[in-house]
Amino acid sequence: SYVLTQPPSVSVAPGKTARITCEGNNIGSKSVHWYQQKSGQAPVLVIYYDSDRPSGIPERFSGSNSGNSATLTISRVEAGDEADYFCQVWDGSSDLPFGGGTKLTVL
Amino acid sequence: QVQLQQWGAGLLKPSETLSLTCAVYGGSFSAFYWSWIRRTPGRGLEWIGEINHSGSVNYNPSLKSRATISVDTSKNQFSLKLSSVTAADTAVYYCATRIAVSGTGWFDPWGQGTLVTVSS
Repeated sequence: SYVLTQPPSVSVAPGKTARITCEGNNIGSKSVHWYQQKSGQAPVLVIYYDSDRPSGIPERFSGSNSGNSATLTISRVEAGDEADYFCQVWDGSSDLPFGGGTKLTVL
Repeated sequence: QVQLQQWGAGLLKPSETLSLTCAVYGGSFSAFYWSWIRRTPGRGLEWIGEINHSGSVNYNPSLKSRATISVDTSKNQFSLKLSSVTAADTAVYYCATRIAVSGTGWFDPWGQGTLVTVSS
């Protein structure tokens, strides 16, 4: 199985920039997608195709992917961004498409 | 625009069978893959399996022996059955649309989720 590794937690002060990484072997050769899951709610797609944003997702959310690491960047972090974030890769061969998740805490 | 609404029993005893159904509203039922995913405290998001409109299914190997996903195209619905449940199957279960494009795919949108608790 293709394993995606995320840090369990990231903390950031309001107004600052949060960076959440997703590591995998040569992940830069794959397409990475990101989800935000707030407490008690269903996950929401925030980035697809490494760096594309679905309609309705603020420009503060951006993504990049290269080498062995993909990154979700949240600029000008707000209290409402506090959530769990999951990366995901689908290449049809893995039964573990999701990373373990990162809890973003806004200080 | 696709919307998903799911339902099913929320409290089960060990060894019983979990049964959930998801209705698809809007969009083209034949254009996507229809997935089941669960969220557990200890294991994060776990993909259970998927089905398309023609009934072609794929399962997570770790759950394949207990999971059955089916589709009813006349109702635009798909269902999950998970047999012989244990406490380890306690989770919030989601149905989701997998959009498949050029060898990749992402999940959007998701159903509202159903908390399933397994307890004697």
